[in-house]
Amino acid sequence: DAKTTQPTSMDCAEGRAANLPCNHSTISGNEYVYWYRQIHSQGPQYIIHGLKNNETNEMASLIITEDRKSSTLILPHATLRDTAVYYCIVTISSGSARQLTFGSGTQLTVLP
Amino acid sequence: DAGVIQSPRHEVTEMGQEVTLRCKPISGHNSLFWYRQTMMRGLELLIYFNNNVPIDDSGMPEDRFSAKMPNASFSTLKIQPSEPRDSAVYFCASSPDRGPYEQYFGPGTRLTVT
Repeated sequence: DAKTTQPTSMDCAEGRAANLPCNHSTISGNEYVYWYRQIHSQGPQYIIHGLKNNETNEMASLIITEDRKSSTLILPHATLRDTAVYYCIVTISSGSARQLTFGSGTQLTVLP
Repeated sequence: DAGVIQSPRHEVTEMGQEVTLRCKPISGHNSLFWYRQTMMRGLELLIYFNNNVPIDDSGMPEDRFSAKMPNASFSTLKIQPSEPRDSAVYFCASSPDRGPYEQYFGPGTRLTVT
């Protein structure tokens, strides 16, 4: 029973913003939204996370809707090195229950 | 910081043999996770430790799999006996016990059982 729904694949032109959507309509009040990515043949890499406010770091921005039922990861200026599978994960972030359940993710291809 | 270290990077073995995968987490991280990734099943959590104690091993597929963490800087995942269906990439990850609890993944061990 998947907690998140993401498109299977997306393309983005190099230098443009990549907007990756994620639906999590059954999210609970104490669950966070995490984003990871996996570049081919490498281990997943943490990108960003949030609870209900929008977040920004050096890699990306995370926009969470007011009802928290969906979110969007934004890579402001995509490069070829951003080609990867992007995973949106909903999880509790306290105590020992910080398990990540990876779905199928979105294959983002950045085109030259 | 060297990051999470896994060894070996590649392992090819015959069915029935014992396989041991090793992981050194990032110094100071209190949690350690073992994952398995296959094309069919994606990335699955097998087991995770907190302060060297196994917290949840519900993802371990069967009794042929066992994991240990004898100290804060070392963990092993053992498969005995190995089977062809165990062929996968096995990732180890570690995480601090403070926000944002991000997990840092190692480069993985690609296991092939023939």
